[in-house]
Amino acid sequence: NAGVMQNPRHLVRRRGQEARLRCSPMKGHSHVYWYRQLPEEGLKFMVYLQKENIIDESGMPKERFSAEFPKEGPSILRIQQVVRGDSAAYFCASSATGSNTEAFFGQGTRLTVV
Amino acid sequence: AQTVTQSQPEMSVQEAETVTLSCTYDTSENNYYLFWYKQPPSRQMILVIRQEAYKQQNATENRFSVNFQKAAKSFSLKISDSQLGDTAMYFCAFMKQNPTVMEYGNKLVFGAGTILRVKS
Repeated sequence: NAGVMQNPRHLVRRRGQEARLRCSPMKGHSHVYWYRQLPEEGLKFMVYLQKENIIDESGMPKERFSAEFPKEGPSILRIQQVVRGDSAAYFCASSATGSNTEAFFGQGTRLTVV
Repeated sequence: AQTVTQSQPEMSVQEAETVTLSCTYDTSENNYYLFWYKQPPSRQMILVIRQEAYKQQNATENRFSVNFQKAAKSFSLKISDSQLGDTAMYFCAFMKQNPTVMEYGNKLVFGAGTILRVKS
């Protein structure tokens, strides 16, 4: 049973480009969470999605960031017009239900903006 | 809003010795979960141990145990017989307990982390 798969592991983008980060949850999981880890800091919640629905986006920056979890395919975190401050590790986690269950993490995508 | 504080940015311990990592948190919730995660250089987030707030008994997983003090809002991690493979960043995390029928999500609030180095 494969775990949470994130790709790419490393992504380099120039300022102003778009970054697309993908997350395939564990088999049977329909709840996905995205977290951001800035250098020397802990993980910060960004968004919680169920299939085709954004449930909680309280941690998402108001501009340039968006997330989706379509009926088919992986969840996508999209960052438009990237800036240096977007450089971070982005983690995806998934859970089987939306209440009181453990979330399993992927290995993260390290985004570097040059 | 909940906050989690880890006051030790870095810790060192000799192999085979015992080390304790500190964590305090602030919440107005009565029902919640607390976790310790390990993040080795590979960056993979690995769940080390989990504690339900309603349980008085401290959780234990092999060499890892916690000291949960609900009134003091303290949740420390003790690692016994430290091994070189324990070298990692350790994060304390909080998750509110939701009514089971309501899927509000299992959102985690993390501390800033403690780097633990095990020396041979």
